[in-house]
Amino acid sequence: DAGITQSPRYKITETGRQVTLMCHQTWSHSYMFWYRQDLGHGLRLIYYSAAADITDKGEVPDGYVVSRSKTENFPLTLESATRSQTSVYFCASCSPGAGADTQYFGPGTRLTVL
Amino acid sequence: DAKTTQPPSMDCAEGRAANLPCNHSTISGNEYVYWYRQIHSQGPQYIIHGLKNNETNEMASLIITEDRKSSTLILPHATLRDTAVYYCIVRVAGGGATNKLIFGTGTLLAVQP
Repeated sequence: DAGITQSPRYKITETGRQVTLMCHQTWSHSYMFWYRQDLGHGLRLIYYSAAADITDKGEVPDGYVVSRSKTENFPLTLESATRSQTSVYFCASCSPGAGADTQYFGPGTRLTVL
Repeated sequence: DAKTTQPPSMDCAEGRAANLPCNHSTISGNEYVYWYRQIHSQGPQYIIHGLKNNETNEMASLIITEDRKSSTLILPHATLRDTAVYYCIVRVAGGGATNKLIFGTGTLLAVQP
């Protein structure tokens, strides 16, 4: 089905482990984003990508790595997970046009770091 | 920092119109007003956006005041499934960091049976 999907939906890992969260969209949107949502902080931008092989930092990039070799995929890697990275992670995509552009969000990945 | 002000919570009776206000007194001429909502444990969902004129789609209507300093999102016939946190966001359209959505605390709309 068309849309934006994330996997896994739930993940439990241990401190120090590497974890990769996947995001896939079928709209061929040029822009993709990763947000995290924590109680008391709302949604905060981690990284975004304007196109394949173009990425840039958001508000809270430390501890995260992204790549975008294909337009439709935007994986987020926690190289050495910490308890403070326990959160709900949302991926989004959009296609900027002449005027306004709208971001569409995936269902989220709930990550717990023990 | 969020550039909008919304009431923290509102109640609405099922089947009635829900009117959610938003103040954005510092909005710039090239900034759009966006509304998103987030149902519990789901990703944010786009509802509607506008620049100057009132807008309507299958989900809602957006009324923007003439001075653009405030707006109201109207859900014409609220259902229990409309219970969610509603976010009003102002932002410039375009590429790069300006695409960043700044989510404030939003309004928790509770639709009562």
